[in-house]
Amino acid sequence: TQLLEQSPQFLSIQEGENLTVYCNSSSVFSSLQWYRQEPGEGPVLLVTVVTGGEVKKLKRLTFQFGDARKDSSLHITAAQPGDTGLYLCAGVQRRDMRFGAGTRLTVKP
Amino acid sequence: EPEVTQTPSHQVTQMGQEVILRCVPISNHLYFYWYRQILGQKVEFLVSFYNNEISEKSEIFDDQFSVERPDGSNFTLKIRSTKLEDSAMYFCASRGTGGSDQPQHFGDGTRLSIL
Repeated sequence: TQLLEQSPQFLSIQEGENLTVYCNSSSVFSSLQWYRQEPGEGPVLLVTVVTGGEVKKLKRLTFQFGDARKDSSLHITAAQPGDTGLYLCAGVQRRDMRFGAGTRLTVKP
Repeated sequence: EPEVTQTPSHQVTQMGQEVILRCVPISNHLYFYWYRQILGQKVEFLVSFYNNEISEKSEIFDDQFSVERPDGSNFTLKIRSTKLEDSAMYFCASRGTGGSDQPQHFGDGTRLSIL
């Protein structure tokens, strides 16, 4: 059973476009983290959201945690080729973390 | 900036052989993790380790797997009798104190290929 569902699984867009990726679950999390993974490397943390309804901005990236702490979204404004990568959400329950399957984003110049 | 280091970067092993994957977590971190990622698939939790014992483990982490912190710096994952389906990237991660919300810092992984 997939604890965290990420959508879309694949996304290919042109440079300058906006996009949103989603992370959904039927479970409540104490917090949710977004990571980005490049080929051949480990995941690197982008942001942690803790409070229901919380919105965090990281330059052109906006992260939102759902009011019920079951889902989250990542919005990228004016995407650039350097944004290309695998975006993973990870939900924290109790002491450990579980990952979604990721959204593989390709931004074409 | 301190980082998690993993060795080797690539391990090729015959099926049925034992393999040990090594990790050096960030020095003041106390919580340690192993994950695996089969090519093209999701990052899967294997095990967490704190205070010299396993905190949690997933259904993947069966009797063929074990973890150890043999000294103050290394954290190892052993697979006793490897199977073809063990081929994957194995990531080690560590985090400091302050709760599970604190970020986990990942190494660059060991690519394990079982022949």
